[in-house]
Amino acid sequence: GAVVSQHPSRVICKSGTSVKIECRSLDFQATTMFWYRQFPKQSLMLMATSNEGSKATYEQGVEKDKFLINHASLTLSTLTVTSAHPEDSSFYICSARKGSMGQPQHFGDGTRLSIL
Amino acid sequence: AQSVTQLDSHVSVSEGTPVLLRCNYSSSYSPSLFWYVQHPNKGLQLLLKYTSAATLVKGINGFEAEFKKSETSFHLTKPSAHMSDAAEYFCVVSGQTPGTYKYIFGTGTRLKVLA
Repeated sequence: GAVVSQHPSRVICKSGTSVKIECRSLDFQATTMFWYRQFPKQSLMLMATSNEGSKATYEQGVEKDKFLINHASLTLSTLTVTSAHPEDSSFYICSARKGSMGQPQHFGDGTRLSIL
Repeated sequence: AQSVTQLDSHVSVSEGTPVLLRCNYSSSYSPSLFWYVQHPNKGLQLLLKYTSAATLVKGINGFEAEFKKSETSFHLTKPSAHMSDAAEYFCVVSGQTPGTYKYIFGTGTRLKVLA
């Protein structure tokens, strides 16, 4: 159990395009979902935390208007990278947690975003 | 404040020999501790978790970890390495109270398994 599906797995698009990434918890209801960014050979950097039905909480330094997060249901969160530029190219990973704060996060397989 | 230190950025072992990946943590609260594995271009897979129950935690794929409060350590071990174990491993600490629940990641240990 605890499967998280992330789609698409890879995106290549032109500068200025907006890109939407979906994160779904397939077999559980996720009270909280998280979005991370991972640079090559580095650990994960938390971008934002979202709870179903409420606004996302962004980490310091993350532009809210650039990275739009929607958590419309207990099984779906989306990250939209608006007007993407080459510096937004990265590996984006979502995770979902069910229940209380001591529960583990379950991660999607990530999305490789390449902006030309 | 919470923090986690993975003492080795790279570990190489021969297939069939034991694996030891070291992790030390710092937490003002009763922590939850996790080990995750990441294969190339993939997300993180949960290996095991410690949440204040038994101090010796058994996980998937033959991995286990022992929580030692006196040493503030949570080292990951496996008796016999497989080629398929080659990956990046992350030790994670998380609190259990509001304001401390976010994951704090270690910098990762890349495990290489030699044939």
